[in-house]
Amino acid sequence: ETGVTQTPRHLVMGMTNKKSLKCEQHLGHNAMYWYKQSAKKPLELMFVYNFKEQTENNSVPSRFSPECPNSSHLFLHLHTLQPEDSALYLCASSQRTGPYHEKLFFGSGTQLSVL
Amino acid sequence: QQQVKQSPQSLIVQKGGISIINCAYENTAFDYFPWYQQFPGKGPALLIAIRPDVSEKKEGRFTISFNKSAKQFSLHIMDSQPGDSATYFCAASTRDRGGSRLTFGEGTQLTVNP
Repeated sequence: ETGVTQTPRHLVMGMTNKKSLKCEQHLGHNAMYWYKQSAKKPLELMFVYNFKEQTENNSVPSRFSPECPNSSHLFLHLHTLQPEDSALYLCASSQRTGPYHEKLFFGSGTQLSVL
Repeated sequence: QQQVKQSPQSLIVQKGGISIINCAYENTAFDYFPWYQQFPGKGPALLIAIRPDVSEKKEGRFTISFNKSAKQFSLHIMDSQPGDSATYFCAASTRDRGGSRLTFGEGTQLTVNP
């Protein structure tokens, strides 16, 4: 496989469920990201991991819990979500080499519906 | 608050026509301006990007025009094709020691009719 792979592609969950989103990158990158994409809104950066260390958390509610066990894998654990959390969740990766502009490589996303 | 304003929200163009999407920003610390293209069911992918020291960048049918004094930039798609139908996001980027930070616009859904 190549690129950034996300599973599952679609997820429907109740407000009391616990589920996890998985992301794997096959590009040898050292940084991984979670973005939230809602209709007619800008992509919202949620979390950034650089060399497995979380370097950014954009005031994301604690019902979203990221995990990065290594530079190739990223998880987003979900619990007690709200209907307004329904969105497309995108994973991305890049190669960070210092104060330079990197190119982001996105996965196809997980379409999440919270009932 | 760092923001990038994008317009229009949606755009319908006939095959062979010119598609134009506009973006404006406020933060003068932005120093890199990429455009991402997203097809249905796919994640965004980098299409073309420009630095503020040039006023125009062209790659095939895609051109970015950049007006630093007005803090505006736009994407022009010449000879638009049905295969160009997608959502386009402009973005603006700043840098720090750890890397870059992207701020995205709201997106434009482009439909090119045959």
